[in-house]
Amino acid sequence: QKEVEQNSGPLSVPEGAIASLNCTYSDRVSQSFFWYRQYSGKSPELIMSIYSNGDKEDGRFTAQLNKASQYVSLLIRDSQPSDSATYLCAPLYSGAGSYQLTFGKGTKLSVIP
Amino acid sequence: NAGVTQTPKFQVLKTGQSMTLQCAQDMNHNSMYWYRQDPGMGLRLIYYSASEGTTDKGEVPNGYNVSRLNKREFSLRLESAAPSQTSVYFCASSEARGAYEQYFGPGTRLTVT
Repeated sequence: QKEVEQNSGPLSVPEGAIASLNCTYSDRVSQSFFWYRQYSGKSPELIMSIYSNGDKEDGRFTAQLNKASQYVSLLIRDSQPSDSATYLCAPLYSGAGSYQLTFGKGTKLSVIP
Repeated sequence: NAGVTQTPKFQVLKTGQSMTLQCAQDMNHNSMYWYRQDPGMGLRLIYYSASEGTTDKGEVPNGYNVSRLNKREFSLRLESAAPSQTSVYFCASSEARGAYEQYFGPGTRLTVT
């Protein structure tokens, strides 16, 4: 059973602060990791992908990966009310010739003006 | 460039009725996926098609069938709908097995009474 664990939240941060979203996964074989943002009533939107250990920055978003600890995180700097959404962590699991994303249940982020 | 489109957006069925959810993508992607999303359960893979002409079961395939009609279109059929199939259904696509970033359609909200 492949597990993806995220704190369900809600995580509340004031506008302008750094929001830190965390995810742990059970499968050591995973090589690729994705963060999706999902607004209420909308579909998931890909915001970050990370494939190697360390940090990857894209604008206000930084993804951090530590494969030894089976841990991936997403930092959102200068948080805005428009960042209020649920964030889904999705490691890619591979096996028997197939490649499948397994999604965590998501962390709900609320940015308070 | 519409990305991934799904029809219908909303549907109400009675138990035992059948219906087909349609999905199309215009990104020339090879792989397509069907997910369902339920409160507290996260996104779960129903079926996927790694390439035109192939389909495979995901985590929760029971009660569903799929057809990869051509490279653009991937449909999901409920032969005899049950209340347990009340959910939001998302279609997604990715360039290939070697490119795992998946892009989602807007979803279909299905209620089975």
